[in-house]
Amino acid sequence: DSGVTQTPKHLITATGQRVTLRCSPRSGDLSVYWYQQSLDQGLQFLIHYYNGEERAKGNILERFSAQQFPDLHSELNLSSLELGDSALYFCASSVGPSGGAESTQYFGPGTRLTVL
Amino acid sequence: GQSLEQPSEVTAVEGAIVQINCTYQTSGFYGLSWYQQHDGGAPTFLSYNALDGLEETGRFSSFLSRSDSYGYLLLQELQMKDSASYFCAVRDLSSGYSTLTFGKGTMLLVSP
Repeated sequence: DSGVTQTPKHLITATGQRVTLRCSPRSGDLSVYWYQQSLDQGLQFLIHYYNGEERAKGNILERFSAQQFPDLHSELNLSSLELGDSALYFCASSVGPSGGAESTQYFGPGTRLTVL
Repeated sequence: GQSLEQPSEVTAVEGAIVQINCTYQTSGFYGLSWYQQHDGGAPTFLSYNALDGLEETGRFSSFLSRSDSYGYLLLQELQMKDSASYFCAVRDLSSGYSTLTFGKGTMLLVSP
């Protein structure tokens, strides 16, 4: 158990809908990262927040957005869902945003999203 | 941009030693990490190399050669539970040092 929690574990929804995935980082970690894992694309970095501020963006679609709240939990919002958005969504956390051992990322158990 | 190459699949028997290679192309390289992922589970951190050389953690070791843009994960005394996917991932300047770019993963199958 990494100490990172994610809810819900599974989510089934229809195309065109909107969902929110939630992540709580390990105690003491200020950085939260979101990743998407699909069979054909592997683990793709989406976005990084540090202490409430966006620090880096990866291959995140405009239909997707995220935020990190004052209590450091983070939410990933996915809207206008398409079949291709079906994937595992992982959240990871680290102590800090910079290089070095402090930015070792620890992953949560993931949310499996199925869009029908 | 960044790119990482690792074999898609490796097979070995219990008790053996296996090496999973990773080559990368990136600008402003900052470190190479390895993660293990069992089917449907969370990626689990194994090791991180920022400097050249070998890092050992129990049965697992990781090596980095920055001049060759190459690293490997060495798994010794293989056990059935080591059957999983193994990912190398780089941190680099373009991604802000702490974000990770992952390879596509190597599936390790350990047989009795």
